[in-house]
Amino acid sequence: GAVVSQHPSWVICKSGTSVKIECRSLDFQATTMFWYRQFPKQSLMLMATSNEGSKATYEQGVEKDKFLINHASLTLSTLTVTSAHPEDSSFYICSARDQQAPRETQYFGPGTRLLVL
Amino acid sequence: DAKTTQPPSMDCAEGRAANLPCNHSTISGNEYVYWYRQIHSQGPQYIIHGLKNNETNEMASLIITEDRKSSTLILPHATLRDTAVYYCIVRAPVFGRGKLIFGQGTELSVKP
Repeated sequence: GAVVSQHPSWVICKSGTSVKIECRSLDFQATTMFWYRQFPKQSLMLMATSNEGSKATYEQGVEKDKFLINHASLTLSTLTVTSAHPEDSSFYICSARDQQAPRETQYFGPGTRLLVL
Repeated sequence: DAKTTQPPSMDCAEGRAANLPCNHSTISGNEYVYWYRQIHSQGPQYIIHGLKNNETNEMASLIITEDRKSSTLILPHATLRDTAVYYCIVRAPVFGRGKLIFGQGTELSVKP
């Protein structure tokens, strides 16, 4: 099946710093990628839809200036958490839509665990 | 996209079939039913999807009722590695649009 990778798999940073997370589709091209966030014991919450070559679309309540998304190529999207604070500590998961797959199946990366001290 | 309802948790004995139900009574005619699962601390894994016919692949079977208001995911011979949270999602596969919105899912525990 299609493979989506994320880097790094975990990161610890100090409050006030920025953290960049990369999401790559390894064996297919993805014009659309998605970023989710998951807190402990909760379900995945969609943060934004990333479209190659255009601005991301953010879900209601997600600050676009805090969570910067760049989708510069058909295989790479990045999420930058700017001026991170402890409340941003979470499990961040990206997903890529394979438009060649039946019904445009979405595949998920393994996730990035962020801890802000 | 239509809302789904799933039981919060289920148990299953190892080697037996696990039948996970999902209600989607407000599903529209062009919406597909997708199933994903999330093993602890990992990203969700695609399992199967369907529109109105029953579907089967190497992982599971999907049974959709004739009125399409509910479906059942069947893991024919559950193993301990199938312990996970299973999500039933309905989505219209409009090209370039259509988002997977996750509900609370069913936490399946496979016990020896």
